[in-house]
Amino acid sequence: EVQLVESGGVVVQPGGSLRLSCAASGFTFDDYTMHWVRQAPGKGLEWVSLISWDGGSTYYADSVKGRFTISRDNSKNSLYLQMNSLRTEDTALYYCAKDRGAGDTAMVFDYWGQGTLVTVSS
Amino acid sequence: DIQMTQSPSSVSASVGDRVTITCQASQGISSWLAWYQQKPGKAPKLLIYAASSLQSGVPSRFSGSGSGTDFTLTISSLQPEDFATYYCQQANSFPYSFGQGTKLEIK
Repeated sequence: EVQLVESGGVVVQPGGSLRLSCAASGFTFDDYTMHWVRQAPGKGLEWVSLISWDGGSTYYADSVKGRFTISRDNSKNSLYLQMNSLRTEDTALYYCAKDRGAGDTAMVFDYWGQGTLVTVSS
Repeated sequence: DIQMTQSPSSVSASVGDRVTITCQASQGISSWLAWYQQKPGKAPKLLIYAASSLQSGVPSRFSGSGSGTDFTLTISSLQPEDFATYYCQQANSFPYSFGQGTKLEIK
């Protein structure tokens, strides 16, 4: 059974930093592109970032480019999101999501974690 | 950037009804479209990918159609567990955007 478990969400002040983690199990982690998708309270879904199976390619939404860094450790079946220079508009539930394509990036999310809440507030 | 527009934003229906939700892309995306279902307090669930392919384990009452700029999600006979919010998402080009969501409520 595929499982994705996020952690690291807390309340942080504007301008602060935070690192989110996602522990994956139930599939061959290093075969798949992984993503972060966020959802502000009461709002819709926003794709944030992706990392290829080997970590060689990363992409970001314009709203986070230059502030967030995605990474992975395939030896630990783990995905990370380093979030710097946080803004109030970054307040959201952050989901880790698995790409549907094996060995390729399909940009379709077939498994999601339950999310970790990041609140940026003074 | 490609904008995804869903309609309606909300719809009320009864168990057993047939419901259709539409999604329009601001430019052509071929068949690179997915549909997700989200229930309150839960993560989204993939229903349809490549516009019309049913994800494994999803009931056959869900179907998708369309290509280019216009797409539909149809639920043939609503069940109580189908009341949720539905999102479309384009997988054609960066940045990979979602529609604003359609809330399906019980009449």
